[in-house]
Amino acid sequence: GQQLNQSPQSMFIQEGEDVSMNCTSSSIFNTWLWYKQDPGEGPVLLIALYKAGELTSNGRLTAQFGITRKDSFLNISASIPSDVGIYFCAGQIANSKLTFGKGITLSVRP
Amino acid sequence: DADVTQTPRNRITKTGKRIMLECSQTKGHDRMYWYRQDPGLGLRLIYYSFDVKDINKGEISDGYSVSRQAQAKFSLSLESAIPNQTALYFCATSDPDPNQPQHFGDGTRLSIL
Repeated sequence: GQQLNQSPQSMFIQEGEDVSMNCTSSSIFNTWLWYKQDPGEGPVLLIALYKAGELTSNGRLTAQFGITRKDSFLNISASIPSDVGIYFCAGQIANSKLTFGKGITLSVRP
Repeated sequence: DADVTQTPRNRITKTGKRIMLECSQTKGHDRMYWYRQDPGLGLRLIYYSFDVKDINKGEISDGYSVSRQAQAKFSLSLESAIPNQTALYFCATSDPDPNQPQHFGDGTRLSIL
């Protein structure tokens, strides 16, 4: 089946630093999504990407839909303590269900 | 009020018990999903339903069953709970429009002793 690869499982950064997360797949997707999960809550959508090559920003977050349709990255600039959480990528083909990556747990040191 | 509500939020029970987790939504979405989350494994799809008369197995449906009682309600049952079903369970909804993302509830933490 389709799989999305996110690594490493955990990342530790200093407050104020930028961080980049990748998501790769051997399969092509038509839609890439990035979700964030805070402790005790469900995942919340951060950014949705619908076209190959698309670059979209949401405040300090920037995400890109890879030109091959097999990858995406998420950048967080000038990190702050509330950026801690688990970041999931998800891919979708046409109108089908989502495939999720295993997530990256981000820790931000003050 | 939350758009996707899961009950209970926490549950501790014993091996062999039957458990039902409930999900209701006020978003008017046709599609509903049940996922489980385990540390390091991300979100894995258990069952999904694209409308009231449609039920589909996900990647890890063994040991689970679902019921779509209405457009707004989708329940997940564990007929005879076992300890390795201890996990965080999420319900999600979406519109059929592929440009609309899934929206998640806040989860049910289930512990089976």
